[in-house]
Amino acid sequence: ETGVTQSPTHLIKTRGQQVTLRCSSQSGHNTVSWYQQALGQGPQFIFQYYREEENGRGNFPPRFSGLQFPNYSSELNVNALELDDSALYLCASSLAVQNGYTFGSGTRLTVV
Amino acid sequence: GIQVEQSPPDLILQEGANSTLRCNFSDSVNNLQWFHQNPWGQLINLFYIPSGTKQNGRLSATTVATERYSLLYISSSQTTDSGVYFCAVERGSYIPTFGRGTSLIVHP
Repeated sequence: ETGVTQSPTHLIKTRGQQVTLRCSSQSGHNTVSWYQQALGQGPQFIFQYYREEENGRGNFPPRFSGLQFPNYSSELNVNALELDDSALYLCASSLAVQNGYTFGSGTRLTVV
Repeated sequence: GIQVEQSPPDLILQEGANSTLRCNFSDSVNNLQWFHQNPWGQLINLFYIPSGTKQNGRLSATTVATERYSLLYISSSQTTDSGVYFCAVERGSYIPTFGRGTSLIVHP
């Protein structure tokens, strides 16, 4: 049973650029959530996808968008990057919405 | 939205010591999880515990849902226990809300 894998592990972007982060869910998991974790803080919920449909969204602007594919893998896209977008981005998957979550190791994004 | 407060924010222990971490939440929840975040950033689920008590080796957790708190006990701590411990609760939407964590350092 494979876990949740995220790519890339580290990324440096320039302010104003766009970035795409990727997540492969644990086998059989149909729900994926994305979180932003700033240094010294707890993870903040960005959005969740269930069977390719957005199933909830946190307090993040529209330049944060996502996709879930038929194989339940997912992407997080961020447009017009700002310095404050520098953070660890975590993906978590679960089997159905109400079950416990399995997290990936995250992508550490630095915006300069 | 629901508020989650964890205490203490920082904890330093000598190897072999015991500790208790606390999570208070502001409203009723339908689920609660404890996570350990290792130095590489990965969050590992420790317990899925909306109520009652569970034990897994040197770790145990108790949630008293009616009083809106949960406790994580670490016994005979080891250096590998170092990291940040998060409590996350779910209310209605099944979307976890995290606390700010307790940073634990265990010295040999």
